[in-house]
Amino acid sequence: DAKTTQPPSMDCAEGRAANLPCNHSTISGNEYVYWYRQIHSQGPQYIIHGLKNNETNEMASLIITEDRKSSTLILPHATLRDTAVYYCIVAIISNFGNEKLTFGTGTRLTIIP
Amino acid sequence: DAGVIQSPRHEVTEMGQEVTLRCKPISGHDYLFWYRQTMMRGLELLIYFNNNVPIDDSGMPEDRFSAKMPNASFSTLKIQPSEPRDSAVYFCASSSNGGADTQYFGPGTRLTVL
Repeated sequence: DAKTTQPPSMDCAEGRAANLPCNHSTISGNEYVYWYRQIHSQGPQYIIHGLKNNETNEMASLIITEDRKSSTLILPHATLRDTAVYYCIVAIISNFGNEKLTFGTGTRLTIIP
Repeated sequence: DAGVIQSPRHEVTEMGQEVTLRCKPISGHDYLFWYRQTMMRGLELLIYFNNNVPIDDSGMPEDRFSAKMPNASFSTLKIQPSEPRDSAVYFCASSSNGGADTQYFGPGTRLTVL
């Protein structure tokens, strides 16, 4: 059963911020929100993750709602190289290390020149 | 670091043949994951290891598939005998222990079974 819901596709103009939404209404208290992306013909690439606070790194920002039922990945200045399938994943991180990640169908983001 | 290394990058074989895919994880990583990706089923986890020990193989489709990790720097995924429906891209990923760690994926092996 799907733990996350994402739109199948989105377009964004080059240079603009790309905002990718994700619903995870059944998330439990010990589950993290992870974002990965997969550029055509390559292996998935980690972007960012968070538990309940907003997070930012050199690639993106992650905004998690206060009730944790949804989140938004923000690519602040999208470039053509950001065209990819973006996966939102919820996963428990146990005391023994990271648990397995279950990839859904993701959002295909196309950056328009 | 060179990242996760997989070989071969492409494999074409005939139905019934044995196929062996290889993976070298990032040095120091003690988790290793094997995934399969197809258009129909997306990206599926097949099996993962921790400290060379298989932890969860519930994603392995059937007995024709087997995976080993004889040491911390090498793993194999074997299909014997191969079938056309095994055609897919197979990814290996590794990660380190310590809580919220990320997985680093290799470039994948594109397998075609004729």
